Amino acid sequence: EAQVTQNPRYLITVTGKKLTVTCSQNMNHEYMSWYRQDPGLGLRQIYYSMNVEVTDKGDVPEGYKVSRKEKRNFPLILESPSPNQTSLYFCASSFTSGYEQFFGPGTRLTVL
Amino acid sequence: EDQVTQSPEALRLQEGESSSLNCSYTVSGLRGLFWYRQDPGKGPEFLFTLYSAGEEKEKERLKATLTKKESFLHITAPKPEDSATYLCAAHSGNTGKLIFGQGTTLQVKP
Repeated sequence: EAQVTQNPRYLITVTGKKLTVTCSQNMNHEYMSWYRQDPGLGLRQIYYSMNVEVTDKGDVPEGYKVSRKEKRNFPLILESPSPNQTSLYFCASSFTSGYEQFFGPGTRLTVL
Repeated sequence: EDQVTQSPEALRLQEGESSSLNCSYTVSGLRGLFWYRQDPGKGPEFLFTLYSAGEEKEKERLKATLTKKESFLHITAPKPEDSATYLCAAHSGNTGKLIFGQGTTLQVKP
């Protein structure tokens, strides 16, 4: 089944404790992206990747890191999480930039 | 500045009562207008892509249309299972970014 998977689905952590949210797709897509979704602010892009080893900042990159060492994986790293990073996070992939994106199920993160 | 605005924010309909959702966009070099459906606690699910003014696409009770400034999602004779948040997004060919609107939350009562 074609899909985007994210892990973990739920995470409660404390300020400053490094964490990684994994994202994997099995559709051989070149383009992958991370979004956060907050009430009243909608979906905002954090980082995106056009292909392996090619990443770029979205609209809200501060406090986040990404890497794209393999085509199928695009982890999101929070080196020192803060409470304002409490949010619902989505990973998405598409054939290439400009095509419809397929979204993962989401990761609900709470930073205390 | 690239911007996508959806209206209304929320819409309540009776089952069978047709209506339209609006998506206005100001995007440099539009390369695609996308509609998604999002159920609570889940990821957005792709519905349609529109590329040029005048284009229309249909799927069951939904029809999406596109002009040079806005897109409409028409819902004909909706059912309670159509209740969800509908998101529109515009892809800028100049910046390469996908800009989302804030969504319209639709509730269809039986």
